[in-house]
Amino acid sequence: GENVEQHPSTLSVQEGDSAVIKCTYSDSASNYFPWYKQELGKRPQLIIDIRSNVGEKKDQRIAVTLNKTAKHFSLHITETQPEDSAVYFCAASFDKLVFGAGTILRVKS
Amino acid sequence: ETGVTQSPTHLIKTRGQQVTLRCSSQSGHNTVSWYQQALGQGPQFIFQYYREEENGRGNFPPRFSGLQFPNYSSELNVNALELDDSALYLCASSLAMTDTGELFFGEGSRLTVL
Repeated sequence: GENVEQHPSTLSVQEGDSAVIKCTYSDSASNYFPWYKQELGKRPQLIIDIRSNVGEKKDQRIAVTLNKTAKHFSLHITETQPEDSAVYFCAASFDKLVFGAGTILRVKS
Repeated sequence: ETGVTQSPTHLIKTRGQQVTLRCSSQSGHNTVSWYQQALGQGPQFIFQYYREEENGRGNFPPRFSGLQFPNYSSELNVNALELDDSALYLCASSLAMTDTGELFFGEGSRLTVL
């Protein structure tokens, strides 16, 4: 079945710096790759997603890149702010969403 | 438009007991998925329901079962509770049976098994 690996498990950055989280997936049939942000005690919320026919997508300070050949995709957050501190999950899907283990992002002010 | 709602928000059970968790999907959504999120881990897919039928199941034993009703609300039932069942149970609804749409999550039901 599908397996998604996510790195790093924790990431600390200084406010204003960039943060990058990387994921690899195993099922080459996967065609949908969302990223979710989960704040403490809250529900996961979609922040950006990309489909397999697109290599890169950007939304303000957030961008996602996809390399289908290598089966990996990454989340890039620029100009990080304290409110970006949360747990971020990548996921990959063909017929069901499989999540990575999550990355705890801490933005220090 | 109402979002995904789950009940109860918190509950405590003892080993061997049974539990039922409930989920109301977002208005207009016909697909419901259930996930188990253990502390410090990512959500693990339990199963998905589309138009009242199970459509896809993760690596969970048969004591995890579910239902979807004509109004697309759903229940997750867990029998013979074990300590490892302690987790946050998330319900998510979507427009489509497949992955092609965004999943909208509820706030979850936190189950503690003693």
